[in-house]
Amino acid sequence: SQTIHQWPATLVQPVGSPLSLECTVEGTSNPNLYWYRQAAGRGLQLLFYSVGIGQISSEVPQNLSASRPQDRQFILSSKKLLLSDSGFYLCAWMHAGGADTQYFGPGTRLTVL
Amino acid sequence: GQQLNQSPQSMFIQEGEDVSMNCTSSSIFNTWLWYKQDPGEGPVLLIALYKAGELTSNGRLTAQFGITRKDSFLNISASIPSDVGIYFCAGTNSGGSNYKLTFGKGTLLTVNP
Repeated sequence: SQTIHQWPATLVQPVGSPLSLECTVEGTSNPNLYWYRQAAGRGLQLLFYSVGIGQISSEVPQNLSASRPQDRQFILSSKKLLLSDSGFYLCAWMHAGGADTQYFGPGTRLTVL
Repeated sequence: GQQLNQSPQSMFIQEGEDVSMNCTSSSIFNTWLWYKQDPGEGPVLLIALYKAGELTSNGRLTAQFGITRKDSFLNISASIPSDVGIYFCAGTNSGGSNYKLTFGKGTLLTVNP
């Protein structure tokens, strides 16, 4: 069976500090991978998605970036965090080939002070 | 782009009551999904619908794929306290080069014991 991991679970960072959030998937090959942000416990905003190693599509211009150094690893980064980057960050995966269901990780709660 | 209107935004009900929520779209989908998000966790898939008119149950949950392919509803019968959370609908046109889901903004459900 497939599992998805995210770490850290929670993070408190000062404004202007760098960020690195990691997501890994087990039990599947060549998944599509996604980063979402959820503010105030409501809607899901798609930030980035990837259909293969080194392939990143950005949905929203911002000071965040994403990378996929390995098939089942997806990383969300920032060089300098802003207060507005606070939120709940969710990673998700989907079977390759444009299938339908996305499966979410447990999330990372980021607080920027 | 495609937009989903999910209603109601929030519901406050008594334990044992039935719940109904729905999503409508400005355009058609060939797949509808319903997720539940417990506080502080990632969304979990409840029901997937793949055919117009399809009615699918999962325990006390029942969801339907609207005949027009522009709407879907989710019913929860005999609610219990653990039904508390945010319920999201999502639509997609799976296959080909489409890799994204369109999410509703969620229905926040509170169940009073």
